[in-house]
Amino acid sequence: DAGITQSPRHKVTETGTPVTLRCHQTENHRYMYWYRQDPGHGLRLIHYSYGVKDTDKGEVSDGYSVSRSKTEDFLLTLESATSSQTSVYFCAISEFQGGVYGYTFGSGTRLTVV
Amino acid sequence: GENVEQHPSTLSVQEGDSAVIKCTYSDSASNYFPWYKQELGKGPQLIIDIRSNVGEKKDQRIAVTLNKTAKHFSLHITETQPEDSAVYFCAAPANTGNQFYFGTGTSLTVIP
Repeated sequence: DAGITQSPRHKVTETGTPVTLRCHQTENHRYMYWYRQDPGHGLRLIHYSYGVKDTDKGEVSDGYSVSRSKTEDFLLTLESATSSQTSVYFCAISEFQGGVYGYTFGSGTRLTVV
Repeated sequence: GENVEQHPSTLSVQEGDSAVIKCTYSDSASNYFPWYKQELGKGPQLIIDIRSNVGEKKDQRIAVTLNKTAKHFSLHITETQPEDSAVYFCAAPANTGNQFYFGTGTSLTVIP
């Protein structure tokens, strides 16, 4: 078990407000990722991190920012939430197992923007 | 970057029948292909994977096949049971950041 905790599990927020989602891991993994899951689109990468203060954009990064000030925490911020950002957000870590890197996901955060 | 396509988007089978989900990828350099199962309200979990140096891998009732020439790989579930009902995702690696690109998912329903 990679020990990944996402918080909050559910959140409803109003359009235009800032929102921060948290991903916490307990096993010192270097790589962490934020994905969003939407019907018909599967899982799409928002941002990822390859170390403290080292982050990069994914395919759907517009409207999102991230920060990683500690190895164990990876924060996703919606600067000004929009209805199109209503989604389920998953954090993942990358582990080297059996000679390859594979993902372990958190349980997700369901975000509704009204 | 890698482009992963997954079919079908929904699949219903009778309990005991087999289910097959297919994915194609675009990058011939891709060498590792995992499959994830997502149960309702949970995050995706790795159920089986295959590397490009083998053509098939089995784990009890599930198997994955890989055709490198055609650039497609498939998940096979035999003797399906109601607990197999879930959303299944295939994935292929990106070139950087230990990333993966995911298919759009297949919602499998096993009818008792």
